[in-house]
Amino acid sequence: SQQGEEDPQALSIQEGENATMNCSYKTSINNLQWYRQNSGRGLVHLILIRSNEREKHSGRLRVTLDTSKKSSSLLITASRAADTASYFCATEGFTGGFKTIFGAGTRLFVKA
Amino acid sequence: EAQVTQNPRYLITVTGKKLTVTCSQNMNHEYMSWYRQDPGLGLRQIYYSMNVEVTDKGDVPEGYKVSRKEKRNFPLILESPSPNQTSLYFCASSLVAGGAPKYFGPGTRLLVL
Repeated sequence: SQQGEEDPQALSIQEGENATMNCSYKTSINNLQWYRQNSGRGLVHLILIRSNEREKHSGRLRVTLDTSKKSSSLLITASRAADTASYFCATEGFTGGFKTIFGAGTRLFVKA
Repeated sequence: EAQVTQNPRYLITVTGKKLTVTCSQNMNHEYMSWYRQDPGLGLRQIYYSMNVEVTDKGDVPEGYKVSRKEKRNFPLILESPSPNQTSLYFCASSLVAGGAPKYFGPGTRLLVL
């Protein structure tokens, strides 16, 4: 079953603009992670945010987590053409095991 | 260099012909897992392993087997592949369980005819 759901499914912006992607999930979680995937390649881990954290930064990335709304957002500031990729959130939670559940992803296209 | 390797990277096979996709990591990680990625469905976990000889089912384990005899290796076995197992497969690892894995392999594209 798919727990994480990204929104929007696709996003097209101009270089220099900010990109915001959202992720919603259904059950309680230990943590939430964001990944980037260039077309057909392996996933690259971007950032992890724990359930007791509300915001985290890494370079041009800013992640927020609202456990009351069961949602997270990934903000990429001053986007570059090289940011063009698919972005996924993944949750690991209290599901009786160490299962990881990924969302379907947001496809980001940054136009130069 | 820390990495997760998978072989083969591309594979075309026929229905019913047993195959194995190997996965190896050089980071002494305890946790390893397999995923399949299909268009519009994101990644779905097939199996995971928390350590040697400890494996458990993910969300879509039907038609797959795994083994963890050594810490570094976690092969994925398709005893009798079917066309609905055509997919892009990823192996991943992390130091310990308790979070989505940090290191992913490059992927294996499988086509079952």
